[in-house]
Amino acid sequence: NAGVTQTPKFQVLKTGQSMTLQCAQDMNHEYMSWYRQDPGMGLRLIHYSVGAGITDQGEVPNGYNVSRSTTEDFPLRLLSAAPSQTSVYFCASRQTVRTNYGYTFGSGTRLTVV
Amino acid sequence: LAKTTQPISMDSYEGQEVNITCSHNNIATNDYITWYQQFPSQGPRFIIQGYKTKVTNEVASLFIPADRKSSTLSLPRVSLSDTAVYYCLVGEKFGNEKLTFGTGTRLTIIP
Repeated sequence: NAGVTQTPKFQVLKTGQSMTLQCAQDMNHEYMSWYRQDPGMGLRLIHYSVGAGITDQGEVPNGYNVSRSTTEDFPLRLLSAAPSQTSVYFCASRQTVRTNYGYTFGSGTRLTVV
Repeated sequence: LAKTTQPISMDSYEGQEVNITCSHNNIATNDYITWYQQFPSQGPRFIIQGYKTKVTNEVASLFIPADRKSSTLSLPRVSLSDTAVYYCLVGEKFGNEKLTFGTGTRLTIIP
């Protein structure tokens, strides 16, 4: 049981490049989310999914795409990287049964756009 | 979504009990209060969740007064390893995934 796995842990991109941040969970959680955290700030929600095939926008969705073809995977795509997207990205998941509401977070991907 | 207000930072000595208070004046009837802990270079970790009165687990206690306009996270006998940022969130227990973390409370434990 690995929990929430994010890859890569570190990435440097040039402005205009595209890439996909991977997120996988093995807990059969229905809900998954992507957050970004800028230095000294809290987490801001980018996109979330309440189940396979269902996604929705969060607080800061511009410049990012997501898809949820399986319960396990929730990749985040940067379409054309910009320096403003330099941040730490966290993926999270949670189950829907009443015994546990809390999200389980991955260890993050530190992205630098130059 | 109910907005939360927490102190930006707190210091405490090892072995003391630490209480971090969160204000959420606009909390809705269906909202629960959830606390997360975040260490540097790690993702947040769920600590505790409650709706009213008192909830206790192996890590912390959560006190919620009758009007539910505030809540207090209590950490008993803190150690250096409790140095972290603590976030208070308010939202529906199920169905509302647009959680807002805010900037949290940076707790520093002094030896």
